[in-house]
Amino acid sequence: KQEVTQIPAALSVPEGENLVLNCSFTDSAIYNLQWFRQDPGKGLTSLLLIQSSQREQTSGRLNASLDKSSGRSTLYIAASQPGDSATYLCAVRPSWGKLQFGAGTQVVVTP
Amino acid sequence: EAQVTQNPRYLITVTGKKLTVTCSQNMNHEYMSWYRQDPGLGLRQIYYSMNVEVTDKGDVPEGYKVSRKEKRNFPLILESPSPNQTSLYFCASSLSGQKQYFGPGTRLTVT
Repeated sequence: KQEVTQIPAALSVPEGENLVLNCSFTDSAIYNLQWFRQDPGKGLTSLLLIQSSQREQTSGRLNASLDKSSGRSTLYIAASQPGDSATYLCAVRPSWGKLQFGAGTQVVVTP
Repeated sequence: EAQVTQNPRYLITVTGKKLTVTCSQNMNHEYMSWYRQDPGLGLRQIYYSMNVEVTDKGDVPEGYKVSRKEKRNFPLILESPSPNQTSLYFCASSLSGQKQYFGPGTRLTVT
């Protein structure tokens, strides 16, 4: 069974520092991988989706890489801001309909 | 505005009293899914639907039913709720293989 792990569980950085969030998965047979942001008491917002044939995706200050062979994805957030404080979750699609989430990394960016 | 709506947002009920949580999307998405989020267990998929009249089990389907009679709606039915179904529930939709849009969540308490 696919397992998705996110390390660290929590992270605190000063404003302006770059953020590096890690996601690992045990089975490389995935259709895609998605990174989400969740604010307290709110739903999830999709940040980036990387198809299995892609190596990375970029949107503004966000960049996500995917290495299927090693079962890893990394989300980089450049020049962090207090507004980036949230929980970040990764999710893999192991089959066409299913989606499996990691437990998330809680990020605090201090002014 | 493109969105996924869920109703109700908050619900307190008693054991055994049947309830339905509605989910509707206005983006003409084929794919819809239900998740529950619990502290320490993260987000887990309950059921998903690839299109009208096509549904399948996720990782934690026990105690839940779904139906997909119209493309825009995907209700979650708890025929006999129990306290272990107390959770935060999310509905999501997407075009096939594309990023998922999440609803705002339904907080359910079963006493």
